[in-house]
Amino acid sequence: DAGVIQSPRHEVTEMGQEVTLRCKPISGHDYLFWYRQTMMRGLELLIYFNNNVPIDDSGMPEDRFSAKMPNASFSTLKIQPSEPRDSAVYFCASSLQARNQPQHFGDGTRLSIL
Amino acid sequence: KQEVTQIPAALSVPEGENLVLNCSFTDSAIYNLQWFRQDPGKGLTSLLLIQSSQREQTSGRLNASLDKSSGRSTLYIAASQPGDSATYLCAHHTGNTDKLIFGTGTRLQVFP
Repeated sequence: DAGVIQSPRHEVTEMGQEVTLRCKPISGHDYLFWYRQTMMRGLELLIYFNNNVPIDDSGMPEDRFSAKMPNASFSTLKIQPSEPRDSAVYFCASSLQARNQPQHFGDGTRLSIL
Repeated sequence: KQEVTQIPAALSVPEGENLVLNCSFTDSAIYNLQWFRQDPGKGLTSLLLIQSSQREQTSGRLNASLDKSSGRSTLYIAASQPGDSATYLCAHHTGNTDKLIFGTGTRLQVFP
C-alpha cells in the first residue's frame, strides 16, 4: 500500500527562482496538509485541504507561497520568488479525517535556496 | 499562544532501559493528543492517538497517557532497543480547529 509520495526529495536552487513541490496523498484520504520544518521553528502547518478545497491557509508565510490541489491525487506547493529563508524541509501529509484519524506523512522535500 | 513543550530535548540511554518522555501543553481544551516518531531524513509516523476523553493508549512496548487537567502527556517505552532511536514528537488538536500543534521533540538515542 503506497504511502504519501513527495517529489523531489531534494531541491537546490538560487534565490529568485520558482520552486514547485509535489505531493500525491494516499488514495481515499480526504484531507491533505502541507508543513514546513526548520530547526528554529519546528513543524508548522502551512495550509490544508478538504476534498481538494483549501480550508485554512493562515500558516502560509507570504504571498510568495501558493498551494493548489487540482484533484484528489495531486497537490503542489509553489514558492515564487524563492528566498534563502525558505530553506527547510517541506512535508505533505494526508488523513481520512481531520482529527480522529492519524496523519500519514511523506518523506519530505529538503529545499535549499542559495 | 498555544505552546507544546517536550522534556528532555535529547536523551541517550543503553538498551533495555524503560523510558519516559514528557509533553506539556498550555491549551486546556485539547481535542486529542498524538505521539509521532521521526527517523532522520524521513517523515513522521503516528504511534498513538489519545482522545481527550481517554486516559491512555497502548501499542506493544509503547504506552501513552494523558492528563488534561495538568496539561501533560507521557510516552512510556518499555525495554528500549537501538531501533527505537529517533525523534519523538507530541501534538494536539485544539478544540475547534483541525490544526495540529506540534511539540519541540525529544531526540532519543538507544545504544547497544
